[in-house]
Amino acid sequence: SQQGEEDPQALSIQEGENATMNCSYKTSINNLQWYRQNSGRGLVHLILIRSNEREKHSGRLRVTLDTSKKSSSLLITASRAADTASYFCATDPASGSARQLTFGSGTQLTVLP
Amino acid sequence: SQTIHQWPATLVQPVGSPLSLECTVEGTSNPNLYWYRQAAGRGLQLLFYSVGIGQISSEVPQNLSASRPQDRQFILSSKKLLLSDSGFYLCAFRYGGSPNEQYFGPGTRLTVT
Repeated sequence: SQQGEEDPQALSIQEGENATMNCSYKTSINNLQWYRQNSGRGLVHLILIRSNEREKHSGRLRVTLDTSKKSSSLLITASRAADTASYFCATDPASGSARQLTFGSGTQLTVLP
Repeated sequence: SQTIHQWPATLVQPVGSPLSLECTVEGTSNPNLYWYRQAAGRGLQLLFYSVGIGQISSEVPQNLSASRPQDRQFILSSKKLLLSDSGFYLCAFRYGGSPNEQYFGPGTRLTVT
């Protein structure tokens, strides 16, 4: 079963606004990652936050991690139409031999020009 | 730099026909390789992963199989396709020493008719 679950499932905002997506998970993790998928394309890695980190920034992206609540959020600031895509969180478990990631069901973000 | 190729990009196959999807990776040795399936508007389901040549682990029992005949080649196969095999198939790799970021191919859209 999918461990990471994103919320909301769909989000529609105006260009220039901020977009916030949330992810919850169930088991202990080494790190949590966020990926982006444009329609009909492969996933692209955006950012990774380790279990001992609480916040991380990359350009217009800000990720937070609360291991006590087993949750993470992805904030995209000053959104652009080109940010329209599906966003997935993925958890890297604290155990397991092949370092399998478990992906959530994604948030579909639409940024209206 | 590392790159990953998948082909074909799209495929329409009748029920009961065989399947062979190929994935190759360039620029790294002994990667972990993964096959995922994504239903429309959904998250990723891990099908198979491989930590080395000839080493395949299956996550979901089904009529699909995977093989890794060479270090950087991963093949997804079926002897007889079912309607339920339709979906978007993604190959990914992780290279040794990374904190488990995965890099995805462009995907294959399979429609079983």
